[in-house]
Amino acid sequence: GGIITQTPKFLIGQEGQKLTLKCQQNFNHDTMYWYRQDSGKGLRLIYYSITENDLQKGDLSEGYDASREKKSSFSLTVTSAQKNEMAVFLCASSLGGYAEQFFGPGTRLTVL
Amino acid sequence: GDSVTQTEGLVTLTKGLPVMLNCTYQTTYSPFLFWYVQHLNEAPKLLLKSSTDNKRTEHQGFYATLHKSSSSFHLQKSSVQLSDSALYFCALSDGSGYNKLTFGKGTVLLVSP
Repeated sequence: GGIITQTPKFLIGQEGQKLTLKCQQNFNHDTMYWYRQDSGKGLRLIYYSITENDLQKGDLSEGYDASREKKSSFSLTVTSAQKNEMAVFLCASSLGGYAEQFFGPGTRLTVL
Repeated sequence: GDSVTQTEGLVTLTKGLPVMLNCTYQTTYSPFLFWYVQHLNEAPKLLLKSSTDNKRTEHQGFYATLHKSSSSFHLQKSSVQLSDSALYFCALSDGSGYNKLTFGKGTVLLVSP
């Protein structure tokens, strides 16, 4: 088996601040994803990456950047934190195709 | 674009009763549907998946049948347990080959003793 780790578990920032969330997986999966989970709105895709150094925008990419410098890691940057984007950010990885996505435990973002 | 609708936000049941959580979808691709379950303070995990029309798929006592004629993939269980209390998401793959998922808003299932 494998595991996905996300750091930090809790992230507190000031409005307008640039914040980075990190994700590591040891499944050796090619495809990785970043989702935002808001209460009552399900999971929405921010960015995904099908291989090292590839980046694809999801439905919610505005206000975010991503980076995939290694196959095992995928970072998400909130370019200017806003109070209305306080949420849980989930990282996932998959073999692609129609394979199962494995999720990390999440990073909870609070903006003051 | 693709969409997934879960009509119930909250379902409350007594232990031992049957449950059905609704999921309908819209897509122009051949549908591949998933159910994920998220227990409190845990990561979502795959419960079951299907792309085969009219074939029941089962896992951990839960089952669902994809019906392309009605664009539905409802999740059912014949007898819920306290441990089934969780948030359930229905999701649709976009057919791109990279498994981009569109999730429904989720249904919270609360099971009482």
